[in-house]
Amino acid sequence: AQSVTQLDSQVPVFEEAPVELRCNYSSSVSVYLFWYVQYPNQGLQLLLKYLSGSTLVKGINGFEAEFNKSQTSFHLRKPSVHISDTAEYFCAVNPETSGSRLTFGEGTQLTVNP
Amino acid sequence: ETGVTQSPTHLIKTRGQQVTLRCSSQSGHNTVSWYQQALGQGPQFIFQYYREEENGRGNFPPRFSGLQFPNYSSELNVNALELDDSALYLCASRRDSHTEAFFGQGTRLTVV
Repeated sequence: AQSVTQLDSQVPVFEEAPVELRCNYSSSVSVYLFWYVQYPNQGLQLLLKYLSGSTLVKGINGFEAEFNKSQTSFHLRKPSVHISDTAEYFCAVNPETSGSRLTFGEGTQLTVNP
Repeated sequence: ETGVTQSPTHLIKTRGQQVTLRCSSQSGHNTVSWYQQALGQGPQFIFQYYREEENGRGNFPPRFSGLQFPNYSSELNVNALELDDSALYLCASRRDSHTEAFFGQGTRLTVV
């Protein structure tokens, strides 16, 4: 079984400041890792994914994440946030060999203030 | 290329009733998954269909059932609705089990 822990339920930041949203996971098998964003009253949009290769992954809207296998972490970062980045962010894992079954964290609400 | 579409967008049902939610998968996608997202929580995996067969199920009771049709669209059926079934129900489609899942906008179900 897999589990995902998002260490911060809410992260308030000022516009143009850097931000890091933390994600740790637990799994007995190798997993793929994902970050999704959810704007109010909408579905989930993929920000980025780690399948294999370079541990630094770049995604859309200037976001990036680093996979750390020894610490079982996949933290999301952005060097300078905008008001429009205000949303709920979800970290998720999917076992490499068990088809498609995403396990999500509880989410982190990012609020960017002017 | 059309994305994943779900219908209806909102629905109000009474406890004990039955509900059917629909999902049209993205063109070329043969795998559909359903998730339940309660307020303030992350989505929880309900089940997945691949080529009209259920091939994975989360920790949900049998009153949650589904179908996938030859055109890969899908339905989620919930019988004997309970108040705790109130949630956003998300459908996701993908081309095969190891590619990116694309999510629909969801159906907001309220059980009163």
